[in-house]
Amino acid sequence: NAGVTQTPKFQVLKTGQSMTLQCAQDMNHEYMSWYRQDPGMGLRLIHYSVGAGITDQGEVPNGYNVSRSTTEDFPLRLLSAAPSQTSVYFCASGKGDNNSPLHFGNGTRLTVT
Amino acid sequence: KNEVEQSPQNLTAQEGEFITINCSYSVGISALHWLQQHPGGGIVSLFMLSSGKKKHGRLIATINIQEKHSSLHITASHPRDSAVYICAVPWGNEKLTFGTGTRLTIIP
Repeated sequence: NAGVTQTPKFQVLKTGQSMTLQCAQDMNHEYMSWYRQDPGMGLRLIHYSVGAGITDQGEVPNGYNVSRSTTEDFPLRLLSAAPSQTSVYFCASGKGDNNSPLHFGNGTRLTVT
Repeated sequence: KNEVEQSPQNLTAQEGEFITINCSYSVGISALHWLQQHPGGGIVSLFMLSSGKKKHGRLIATINIQEKHSSLHITASHPRDSAVYICAVPWGNEKLTFGTGTRLTIIP
């Protein structure tokens, strides 16, 4: 199993550009989520999904869109990048209950200039 | 939302020392997660526990539900244990609140 695969690893955007961060998992996990990690702060939940066709907002959803058309994929879209979105982004998947471990991707370091 | 505090923020120790990292939270929970973030950035799940103690190799995690407190211990620490250790607790359904992490450095 590849686990959770995130692409790209690094990305530089100009303000106003759009892009999609890709996340795929091959563990048949129903739960998938996106987090951002900023210096001095804990990981913060952006959006999450408990199954194909179902998404919900987390703690910091503004400026980001998600969709879940398949169990395997959960892309994160930035429609108009802003410098405040400079961060490290992690995708994670799990079985969907608070008693199961989360499996994380290797992260995407995004810089918006 | 569940508030999570970790201590210390930074910890430097000599190889072989016994390490303790603490995590406190504000709202009662069903389970607590301990994660390890490698210097390269990758995050792995170490433990999930809802009561008592769990052990995996040189790592031991304990939790006191009544006191809303958990500790992660590392015995016979080694430079390869150098990482950021993060605790996380549930918040609502399918959500986790993460601590800011403890940066551990083990000096040979």
